[in-house]
Amino acid sequence: GAVVSQHPSRVICKSGTSVKIECRSLDFQATTMFWYRQFPKQSLMLMATSNEGSKATYEQGVEKDKFLINHASLTLSTLTVTSAHPEDSSFYICSAATKTNYGYTFGSGTRLTVV
Amino acid sequence: QKEVEQNSGPLSVPEGAIASLNCTYSDRVSQSFFWYRQYSGKSPELIMSIYSNGDKEDGRFTAQLNKASQYVSLLIRDSQPSDSATYLCAVTRSAGGTSYGKLTFGQGTILTVHP
Repeated sequence: GAVVSQHPSRVICKSGTSVKIECRSLDFQATTMFWYRQFPKQSLMLMATSNEGSKATYEQGVEKDKFLINHASLTLSTLTVTSAHPEDSSFYICSAATKTNYGYTFGSGTRLTVV
Repeated sequence: QKEVEQNSGPLSVPEGAIASLNCTYSDRVSQSFFWYRQYSGKSPELIMSIYSNGDKEDGRFTAQLNKASQYVSLLIRDSQPSDSATYLCAVTRSAGGTSYGKLTFGQGTILTVHP
């Protein structure tokens, strides 16, 4: 089945630094990647949608200069949280759309803690 | 009105009982519907997908869709303690093929199955 590998699973960083999260589709080509954020006891909130080779489309209220998304290839998408602050601490999850079997495959998530 | 709304829960059922999870959505153009299970600290995993009106069964799980009423439900038969998790309803306008629109999630329903 389709697998999306997401790394790192956990990261702790200092306030003001940047953190990069990677999502790789291991056995399929992910033409579209979705990035979500989930705060404790809340549902998933879509941050942005990225298509391979195109600029990401950000949801209202999400700062594109703070959350940099790169989808340079069909198997790799990255989310960089720049100048992280404690309020950016959250669970970040990627999801790739699969062509071979219609569906959305989720990565395992990244727990970001900014101290 | 929320785009996707689930019964608030938490829902507690005894082992072996039927758990009923409900979801309503506001976007009449929605075409694809998904139920995900999410354990604490983990990313969502797909339980069922449904695209046409009626019932769809997979093992102990049955999804029901009524597009006229904008309603989708999930029944879990013979509930097990391992079913205890948060269940997320998600909808999208996409119908598969080459179009992959964003998923909109409900707030989730916490299910506890007690022995």
